[in-house]
Amino acid sequence: DAGITQSPRHKVTETGTPVTLRCHQTENHRYMYWYRQDPGHGLRLIHYSYGVKDTDKGEVSDGYSVSRSKTEDFLLTLESATSSQTSVYFCAISPGTSGNLEQYFGPGTRLTVT
Amino acid sequence: AQSVTQLDSQVPVFEEAPVELRCNYSSSVSVYLFWYVQYPNQGLQLLLKYLSGSTLVKGINGFEAEFNKSQTSFHLRKPSVHISDTAEYFCAVSVPLNYGGATNKLIFGTGTLLAVQP
Repeated sequence: DAGITQSPRHKVTETGTPVTLRCHQTENHRYMYWYRQDPGHGLRLIHYSYGVKDTDKGEVSDGYSVSRSKTEDFLLTLESATSSQTSVYFCAISPGTSGNLEQYFGPGTRLTVT
Repeated sequence: AQSVTQLDSQVPVFEEAPVELRCNYSSSVSVYLFWYVQYPNQGLQLLLKYLSGSTLVKGINGFEAEFNKSQTSFHLRKPSVHISDTAEYFCAVSVPLNYGGATNKLIFGTGTLLAVQP
């Protein structure tokens, strides 16, 4: 158990509304990631963080922003949700061992944009 | 560009039969490979990893994988599957996010659904 929780676990929202997903870890790992999972695509990286206030874009970052004001929390915000952002969102941490190569995942948030 | 290919989207197999899930990768840098398992409505769990050393890697739940550099493959195997192994399996390669390689990301294949039948 990597000590990762995500909230909410399920959310239904309307197009155009802002949405914030939260990832919380209990073990003070430096590296945190947000991925989205879609059928036929596997998981794709949205944003990542390498420390408090240190974040950067992944491969599918359009329409998303992130913030990390504390080591334990990494927030993903959809500024104006669209139907194409309907997906399952996973947060991950890297413990920093082995050159932060391996990652451990939270339980996911299923987001539906109607 | 780095990529991972899982050719089989679904693999049906009978209980107690052996299984192999195929994974091929493309990477121009040092290769670090992983298999993850996802049970229905759950997150991804690390099954096993290859970072260096022995090319035969053993993981949890009786799974193993073999790193084959010449064939750029990292196939997952289990000699005898159980109903409880029914899940989706993802192969992934770790690559640097930026020049200098201080931070890595995982590139995933599209997944293989292992369907174990009684």
